[in-house]
Amino acid sequence: SQTIHQWPATLVQPVGSPLSLECTVEGTSNPNLYWYRQAAGRGLQLLFYSVGIGQISSEVPQNLSASRPQDRQFILSSKKLLLSDSGFYLCAWARVGTDTQYFGPGTRLTVL
Amino acid sequence: RKEVEQDPGPFNVPEGATVAFNCTYSNSASQSFFWYRQDCRKEPKLLMSVYSSGNEDGRFTAQLNRASQYISLLIRDSKLSDSATYLCVANTGGGGNKLTFGTGTQLKVEL
Repeated sequence: SQTIHQWPATLVQPVGSPLSLECTVEGTSNPNLYWYRQAAGRGLQLLFYSVGIGQISSEVPQNLSASRPQDRQFILSSKKLLLSDSGFYLCAWARVGTDTQYFGPGTRLTVL
Repeated sequence: RKEVEQDPGPFNVPEGATVAFNCTYSNSASQSFFWYRQDCRKEPKLLMSVYSSGNEDGRFTAQLNRASQYISLLIRDSKLSDSATYLCVANTGGGGNKLTFGTGTQLKVEL
């Protein structure tokens, strides 16, 4: 069976600090991978998606970036966090050629 | 206009009631749809996929009306454990099989 992991679960960071969130998927090969952000009381916003190693598509211009160094690893980064980066960050995967997405447990980020 | 629109609720219903949520989508090219359930401070979990006119899974029934660009979710015999936010989702196509999420409808099932 497939599982998806995210860490850390919770993070409190000062404004201007860097960020690195990690997502890994087990039990499947060459998945499509997605990063979403959910701000308090709002819907899920797609930030990045990847259809393969090193292939990143950005949906929303911002101070975040994503990388996929390995087939089942997806990383979300920032060089300098803003207050507006606070939110619930969710990673999701889907089998290639399908559109059903499965979510990881998420990382709750608070920028102070 | 939002791509996927839902009534935010909350819908407060007694245990055992039948409740229906509606959702409209703006992209007529969307081919597949989903309902996800999200508990407070948790990740969304897939409840049901809808690829044709509808789908049924136990107490849950989803219906799709492509002409009206409308999806509904019916929950029969509501349980306390059904209390959650229900997200309506449409495939927006293009590369990566991207999904667009509605902001969710909150359901509270009460004794």
